[in-house]
Amino acid sequence: DAMVIQNPRYQVTQFGKPVTLSCSQTLNHNVMYWYQQKSSQAPKLLFHYYDKDFNNEADTPDNFQSRRPNTSFCFLDIRSPGLGDAAMYLCATSARYSGANVLTFGAGSRLTVL
Amino acid sequence: EDQVTQSPEALRLQEGESSSLNCSYTVSGLRGLFWYRQDPGKGPEFLFTLYSAGEEKEKERLKATLTKKESFLHITAPKPEDSATYLCAVQERDDKIIFGKGTRLHILP
Repeated sequence: DAMVIQNPRYQVTQFGKPVTLSCSQTLNHNVMYWYQQKSSQAPKLLFHYYDKDFNNEADTPDNFQSRRPNTSFCFLDIRSPGLGDAAMYLCATSARYSGANVLTFGAGSRLTVL
Repeated sequence: EDQVTQSPEALRLQEGESSSLNCSYTVSGLRGLFWYRQDPGKGPEFLFTLYSAGEEKEKERLKATLTKKESFLHITAPKPEDSATYLCAVQERDDKIIFGKGTRLHILP
């Protein structure tokens, strides 16, 4: 089945220790998104790519970086995680249509910072 | 200022008790408004896209409607398996999609 796979599902790290979360897709979608979701809060858009065209949200901290080496893969790097970065990180993909972009989400990566 | 506001934050209903969830939005140039369902510990799952005022879409016990300023998700005769968080999202002119905080729905048997 075509899908969006996130790894790892659960990540525990220490304060300040870099973390990389990965996302892969078999849908051949040209748009990929990273969202941060904290408990009982809205998913917050961090970045999105249209092909290799990178779009950073103005309020995304510099501590968060992203890479998209090819259509299928996208990575989220957190350079120095703080306690406030503990959250679920959701990757989503979409084809860009003339209408609206329906998102297909992965299962998420839950980050714990000790 | 939030672009997408959902209400209520949480809703408890008895099985079979119909109700509606609200999503109000303030974006201009709406390309689409979406409803997603999210179960605990999982990624959101797509339900509907609405494009223009007056549009309605249905799926099983759910019906979504859209006006120029808000959308409603009507749930008719809900069952316990309908318990989840329901998220509303909007897309403006580009690829950016903004979500509301969601409504946590709990259906009691």
